[in-house]
Amino acid sequence: SAVISQKPSRDICQRGTSLTIQCQVDSQVTMMFWYRQQPGQSLTLIATANQGSEATYESGFVIDKFPISRPNLTFSTLTVSNMSPEDSSIYLCSASGTDERANYGYTFGSGTRLTVV
Amino acid sequence: AQTVTQSQPEMSVQEAETVTLSCTYDTSESDYYLFWYKQPPSRQMILVIRQEAYKQQNATENRFSVNFQKAAKSFSLKISDSQLGDAAMYFCAYRYKGAQKLVFGQGTRLTINP
Repeated sequence: SAVISQKPSRDICQRGTSLTIQCQVDSQVTMMFWYRQQPGQSLTLIATANQGSEATYESGFVIDKFPISRPNLTFSTLTVSNMSPEDSSIYLCSASGTDERANYGYTFGSGTRLTVV
Repeated sequence: AQTVTQSQPEMSVQEAETVTLSCTYDTSESDYYLFWYKQPPSRQMILVIRQEAYKQQNATENRFSVNFQKAAKSFSLKISDSQLGDAAMYFCAYRYKGAQKLVFGQGTRLTINP
């Protein structure tokens, strides 16, 4: 299965600033997903990113706050904009391959722990 | 809408014993996939096992096996011979074959007592 390198692994940021999280996959993947996870809780999907098209955002998440780029089939970024302490969380990216590979379960990055002060 | 429910927020087991984690789901679809993921303190989500809905045979991966009851919409995970390294959050997840998104349960925190 694909391997995803996610960085940074953690960061402490000032409120009002922005942070860009990067995910690099070692193979071409069809779709990438961005999640937010509060410690000890489940994953909440932020958006789905297809290469060459606009990301699709879930209810409660907007592009101005969480702009996503997907310039090619192996890379994606998520930016957390104009941060507030409420944005403190773990952010994870995930990838699916072709339909057949997707059936074997998605691969996840190691997560970014963001603290906003 | 599809939902996944894990009714056990926390479970604990003695090392070398067997533990079963519960998961139920709600869907009107007939062709889908179910997964169990493990998330240790390192935060890395690791796929433990998967089940295809059209397969009646329960999936098995070494010490991990599932009890898939399609009619009851139940998908429990059994861990045999529990090891200290099994301590983690475990998430049950569902994906309809015609969709890309995974739907996750709330998670079960598993503690292994030495």
